[in-house]
Amino acid sequence: GAGVSQSPSNKVTEKGKDVELRCDPISGHTALYWYRQRLGQGLEFLIYFQGNSAPDKSGLPSDRFSAERTGESVSTLTIQRTQQEDSAVYLCASSLGGVSYEQYFGPGTRLTVT
Amino acid sequence: DQQVKQNSPSLSVQEGRISILNCDYTNSMFDYFLWYKKYPAEGPTFLISISSIKDKNEDGRFTVFLNKSAKHLSLHIVPSQPGDSAVYFCAASAGPGTASKLTFGTGTRLQVTL
Repeated sequence: GAGVSQSPSNKVTEKGKDVELRCDPISGHTALYWYRQRLGQGLEFLIYFQGNSAPDKSGLPSDRFSAERTGESVSTLTIQRTQQEDSAVYLCASSLGGVSYEQYFGPGTRLTVT
Repeated sequence: DQQVKQNSPSLSVQEGRISILNCDYTNSMFDYFLWYKKYPAEGPTFLISISSIKDKNEDGRFTVFLNKSAKHLSLHIVPSQPGDSAVYFCAASAGPGTASKLTFGTGTRLQVTL
């Protein structure tokens, strides 16, 4: 089915390098979210896009993290100058927005910073 | 500041018995609560939700109970099946009737044994 897809599924990078993670939401979903899950922890909200509104960036942990979304389509999460503590599974979710709270998650990108 | 807490990291239940997963929250602004289920190497999938105007919501084998005065909710699975073995996340939203970011607990790993 046409669920949320993310790429790459796995990414190993050296400390200090930049990485870009991609999310393709479900077609027609106006809301898009990025979360991360570090080992042994819960999902941590990073950023939220809703239509053409300004994104809610309140969860981004530092200015090394940024995300973009073009319209209601693909989103990219960029981490600059990666650190070992950035190692986590990065999950993207989309929803219909409005009164719908059910978010549909992608399989995630496992990022390992060595 | 963990606003959504799942104090039991793991739970083991025999097949056919009831599984009860618990969740506590501290933010009185939360008005919508969800349970997600996560299998290894997959993104979380939505299971069941409840609005703060209700105290119970049932869907097949799954029932969620909400006790607003205690800021506590629980997920009951009966009868438990081996396929229910997964990590269960409780999540809460304080959205003003529109899609909003979810605050997740750290998860409870359920193991249903034969």
